[in-house]
Amino acid sequence: DTAVSQTPKYLVTQMGNDKSIKCEQNLGHDTMYWYKQDSKKFLKIMFSYNNKELIINETVPNRFSPKSPDKAHLNLHINSLELGDSAVYFCASSQGTGKETQYFGPGTRLLVL
Amino acid sequence: KQEVTQIPAALSVPEGENLVLNCSFTDSAIYNLQWFRQDPGKGLTSLLLIQSSQREQTSGRLNASLDKSSGRSTLYIAASQPGDSATYLCAVLEYGNKLVFGAGTILRVKS
Repeated sequence: DTAVSQTPKYLVTQMGNDKSIKCEQNLGHDTMYWYKQDSKKFLKIMFSYNNKELIINETVPNRFSPKSPDKAHLNLHINSLELGDSAVYFCASSQGTGKETQYFGPGTRLLVL
Repeated sequence: KQEVTQIPAALSVPEGENLVLNCSFTDSAIYNLQWFRQDPGKGLTSLLLIQSSQREQTSGRLNASLDKSSGRSTLYIAASQPGDSATYLCAVLEYGNKLVFGAGTILRVKS
């Protein structure tokens, strides 16, 4: 059973396009996250939601918009894709308000051409 | 601003060796410290979580220590195996519930 799943696994697209990445967790967790891992392998948090409410919003361009239709899903929509958006995007979830172990999805590898 | 540094950046050891990975952080105002493992092309797997009030945690051949006052943690791997080859990431959970990661240590265990 996949605990945290992401789709798609790979995404290749042209500059200027709009794309979405979906994340689902079946762990019953209350908090979900989006992270970006750049080419230098640094992982940085982008957003965090607790029970569908935004609680962390790092300095991310407003072209990135997270949406949480329910507490098991956190999707990431990216408008007007740029070359610098190429990275691996990881979704994660944790119990409670975020002080517990985080469980990560397999990642979505985004390449903007 | 919290900064997490991991040393060494890469490590290659023969099978069976005991090894230590180091992590340091600049701001001791943390809830906990976590060690993760990342395999190539895969997501992260949590290995150990040490609460700020704890000194160490153990799981199998892994032992992690935390010295919050000096801003240091170590991950000790006993009797290393080729299957331990991966990138090991250290992360601290700041007040505000934000996880800040180091750049990782790439470990290769040779058979």
